[in-house]
Amino acid sequence: KAGVTQTPRYLIKTRGQQVTLSCSPISGHRSVSWYQQTPGQGLQFLFEYFSETQRNKGNFPGRFSGRQFSNSRSEMNVSTLELGDSALYLCASSPFTGGGTEAFFGQGTRLTVV
Amino acid sequence: TQLLEQSPQFLSIQEGENLTVYCNSSSVFSSLQWYRQEPGEGPVLLVTVVTGGEVKKLKRLTFQFGDARKDSSLHITAAQPGDTGLYLCAGVDTGRRALTFGSGTRLQVQP
Repeated sequence: KAGVTQTPRYLIKTRGQQVTLSCSPISGHRSVSWYQQTPGQGLQFLFEYFSETQRNKGNFPGRFSGRQFSNSRSEMNVSTLELGDSALYLCASSPFTGGGTEAFFGQGTRLTVV
Repeated sequence: TQLLEQSPQFLSIQEGENLTVYCNSSSVFSSLQWYRQEPGEGPVLLVTVVTGGEVKKLKRLTFQFGDARKDSSLHITAAQPGDTGLYLCAGVDTGRRALTFGSGTRLQVQP
C-alpha cells in the first residue's frame, strides 16, 4: 500500500509570494492533517480535513489555508510568505477523523522563504 | 492550550546504555502516542497508550502512561545506533480532536 505522498519535497520562495503544497493520503484514508515543524516551535498543528470539510484548526494566521478534494487529496496554501514561514510542512493521513487514530506522515515539504 | 514538555531535549549515549525519555503535561489526555522521526522523514508511530498506568513493550522499548494520564515515559534498554532519531510524544485530546506534540527528544547513540 502506497504511503502518504507530499509534493514538492523542497521549495524556495521569496517573501510576499504565495505557495501551494500538495498531499496525497493513503488510499482509503479520508482524514488529512497538516503540521508545521520548526526547530524552535516543534510540530504544530495547522488544520485537519475530513470528507472535504475542515474539522479542526490550529492557531495560525489566516494566511494559512487548505482544502480537500473528493479523492481525499489535500492542498495547503500560504499567502504573503514571511521569513518565519520557513519550515518543514508535514501532512498526515488517518482513516478516521479526530486525533485518536494512528497518523501516517509523509516525508514533508521543506519550504525556505528568502 | 495543552502543552507537552519532553525531557531531556538532547541525549548522546554509547551503544549498550539504557535511557529514559519523559513527556509531561498539566493536562489530562485521552491517550498518548510516541513517534520516532529520522532525518528527512516524517514521524512514524511507535505506540499508543490509552489506559492510566498502562505499560507497553516493543522489543527493547518500554512505554508507560501515568496513572493520571498526564505524563508518559519511554525507556530504551541497551540502546543501539539504529535507535538514533527524534522521539516525539503526542497527546490526544478528544475535545480538540487533534494531536498536541511535545517538543521532542533528540537521541544519538554512538557505536
